[in-house]
Amino acid sequence: GAVVSQHPSRVICKSGTSVKIECRSLDFQATTMFWYRQFPKQSLMLMATSNEGSKATYEQGVEKDKFLINHASLTLSTLTVTSAHPEDSSFYICSASKVYTEAFFGQGTRLTVV
Amino acid sequence: DQQVKQNSPSLSVQEGRISILNCDYTNSMFDYFLWYKKYPAEGPTFLISISSIKDKNEDGRFTVFLNKSAKHLSLHIVPSQPGDSAVYFCAASEGGSNYKLTFGKGTLLTVNP
Repeated sequence: GAVVSQHPSRVICKSGTSVKIECRSLDFQATTMFWYRQFPKQSLMLMATSNEGSKATYEQGVEKDKFLINHASLTLSTLTVTSAHPEDSSFYICSASKVYTEAFFGQGTRLTVV
Repeated sequence: DQQVKQNSPSLSVQEGRISILNCDYTNSMFDYFLWYKKYPAEGPTFLISISSIKDKNEDGRFTVFLNKSAKHLSLHIVPSQPGDSAVYFCAASEGGSNYKLTFGKGTLLTVNP
């Protein structure tokens, strides 16, 4: 199957700082990437849909100024958590799709804000 | 309001027996359904999918059944193996395979040797 790489896999940051998470499709071009968030023992919740070359579409309740998404190329999307607070601590996962195929997920990033 | 529901948080089966994981949905616009397997601290891995125009799809030991009238789908794993132990997520899409997904909360499957 296709490979989606997410980096870093784990990050600890201080409250008030910003953290950038990268999502790369290694062997295919992804016009659309998705960012999800998972709380313990909960389902993956879609945060936003990222389209190459255009603004991301955010789900209801997700602050677009706090979770900045950039999809600069067909193989790279980034999620920046700005002014992180402890309640932003979570597991963040990206996915990318080729046309007419299922979504492939990255390994996820465990963010801990202290 | 959860549009995709997996009402069993956990399931335990014996190696070699059948595992049946269930999923219900409420959104009649969903037209594509997927099952993902997930280990702790890893991203989900795609297992099998089914389009709403079908009622069954089979891939090796994995079979997904879709009952549209009941808005219910199930994943059958037979025979179950200890390596199948993981959390299984049911997901649904309104726009086909590469549209945004709505996930259930997952079911932890434990296959005992």
